[in-house]
Formats: sequence, structure tokens, C-alpha cells
Amino acid sequence: DGGITQSPKYLFRKEGQNVTLSCEQNLNHDAMYWYRQDPGQGLRLIYYSQIVNDFQKGDIAEGYSVSREKKESFPLTVTSAQKNPTAFYLCASSIGQDEKLFFGSGTQLSVL
Amino acid sequence: GESVGLHLPTLSVQEGDNSIINCAYSNSASDYFIWYKQESGKGPQFIIDIRSNMDKRQGQRVTVLLNKTVKHLSLQIAATQPGDSAVYFCAENRNGGFKTIFGAGTRLFVKA
Repeated sequence: DGGITQSPKYLFRKEGQNVTLSCEQNLNHDAMYWYRQDPGQGLRLIYYSQIVNDFQKGDIAEGYSVSREKKESFPLTVTSAQKNPTAFYLCASSIGQDEKLFFGSGTQLSVL
Repeated sequence: GESVGLHLPTLSVQEGDNSIINCAYSNSASDYFIWYKQESGKGPQFIIDIRSNMDKRQGQRVTVLLNKTVKHLSLQIAATQPGDSAVYFCAENRNGGFKTIFGAGTRLFVKA
């Protein structure tokens, strides 16, 4: 089955710790995205990548970092600089620009 | 179409009735609009899309209407079923780019 796989489903972070969320896709899509969703709210764009070895900041990139070394993979690191990391994180991909998004099942990050 | 807070607008309909979910978008430069459905604890799923050169598009049991004059988008669901209970997001894409902006969402309850 083609799709997007996010792991883990639940993740806990201690104070001062960096954590990395995994996102893998086998849809052969060029573009990949990370969104953050807070309870009862819409999705906000953290980072996106148009192509391998390229990525751009979204609207709320502070405290996050990404890499795109392979077409299939777009991991997100939540750094200790992100003071309010508790949220539901969604990875998505698309064929290209101006196209619909395909989402993974999300990772719920909480702070211990 | 930006996130507006913790309290989602809610629509409650009787099973078998038609549902209409409305959305106001913010930017007249937006030219691609998408509706997504999100069930609890899952990632959003694509429902239907429309480009700005159209004012109506139909899918299976769903219709999207676009009124560019008043920057309004609506999703109509025919013969609403319990499985349609979810949060529905409208989203807009601007100038053919990679940034998709999500609205705050509407929660649909279907009463049996």
C-alpha cells in the first residue's frame, strides 16, 4: 500500500531534550511537509521541502529543524528551543506545488 | 481561513439529511481550494478540491461551491451518514505555491 508512515505515534520529551519524529513516504512524491496541530485548531506549517536536499521555513519554524537527504524521508527534530512543543504533528506529501496533500497518521508529542 | 481559537464551530445533523459546511477564505490571490476530513486521532484525508476557474465541483455525495466575489467556500454532503462525523477543514493554496493554509475547522455530528 502506498502512503505516509509516521513514527512513533506517541512521544514524550523531557526538559532540554531534542526529539526526532520520523516520516517516510512511498508515493514517489517530490514535496513533503510538516504541520503542527493544537487542540481545536487548524494546521500550521512548520517546514516544507520541494525536493531532496532543499527545505524552506513555514510559518512557525522556530525551535524546529528538518533534513531531506532522501526523497522518501523528511524527519523533524523538535529542539529544546521549542518552549511549547506539546501538539499533534502531521507529515504530508504532494506530487508538486499547488496540489492536494496526503497525510500520515500523526505523532502526539507531550512534555514530561 | 486562519485558525481562530480553541472552540470549533459545530454542526449537528440528522442521519440522512444534507449537511452544508461553510468557510470564508482570506486572500483573493488564492486559486486552489481543498476540503479535508479529519477523524479523531488521525491525519486529514482529502475529500474534494476546486480551482478558481470553477464555481462548482461534484464528487460522490459531496459538492464544493466557490464564490470568489465574497471569498466563500462551502462543502455539501448529501444523505449524511454516521461515518461522516469528523472535523472538516477548508484549505487554500496561494499563487500556485507550496503553502497550503488551513482554516480552523468545523466539527460535524451526525445523529442516528
